[in-house]
Amino acid sequence: GAVVSQHPSRVICKSGTSVKIECRSLDFQATTMFWYRQFPKQSLMLMATSNEGSKATYEQGVEKDKFLINHASLTLSTLTVTSAHPEDSSFYICSARDEQGADYEQYFGPGTRLTVT
Amino acid sequence: GQNIDQPTEMTATEGAIVQINCTYQTSGFNGLFWYQQHAGEAPTFLSYNVLDGLEEKGRFSSFLSRSKGYSYLLLKELQMKDSASYLCAVMDSNYQLIWGAGTKLIIKP
Repeated sequence: GAVVSQHPSRVICKSGTSVKIECRSLDFQATTMFWYRQFPKQSLMLMATSNEGSKATYEQGVEKDKFLINHASLTLSTLTVTSAHPEDSSFYICSARDEQGADYEQYFGPGTRLTVT
Repeated sequence: GQNIDQPTEMTATEGAIVQINCTYQTSGFNGLFWYQQHAGEAPTFLSYNVLDGLEEKGRFSSFLSRSKGYSYLLLKELQMKDSASYLCAVMDSNYQLIWGAGTKLIIKP
């Protein structure tokens, strides 16, 4: 089946620094990728939809200047958390849509645990 | 607005059967998904329903009634490893997934 990887799986950074998270579709092309954030004991919250070759679409309340998304190729999207603060500590999950798939299923990456100290 | 409702938590006994319900109100409908998520891990796909009826896949089955805006996930012969959160998600008219808050399933021996 389709595989999505995320890197890094876990990162600890100091407040004020920036962190980049990569999301890759390994065996399919994804014109659309999604970035989610999940706080403990809560469901996934869609942050933005990443479109290859164009600007990302951000959900209401998500700061586009703080969460920079770049979808440079059909297999790679990156999320950069700029000037991170402790409240940005969360589980970040990406997913990718295989447009050639039958059911518009989203394939999830394993997630990135971000801790800002 | 768009809304997905599912119970917050359920408890069941190993070897038994449990049904997790999901009701939804969304702008458009392009299918309903069930995902399993263990603590600290990403969701894994369980099922997809776009037509009314029951889809059976091993110990797991999923049912959909579009007219009622209702789905359930049925888990049979429960095993301890089934302890997880189960997320109901509906794909709306824009092909975006609208997520429920998840149901935490606790399996007791």
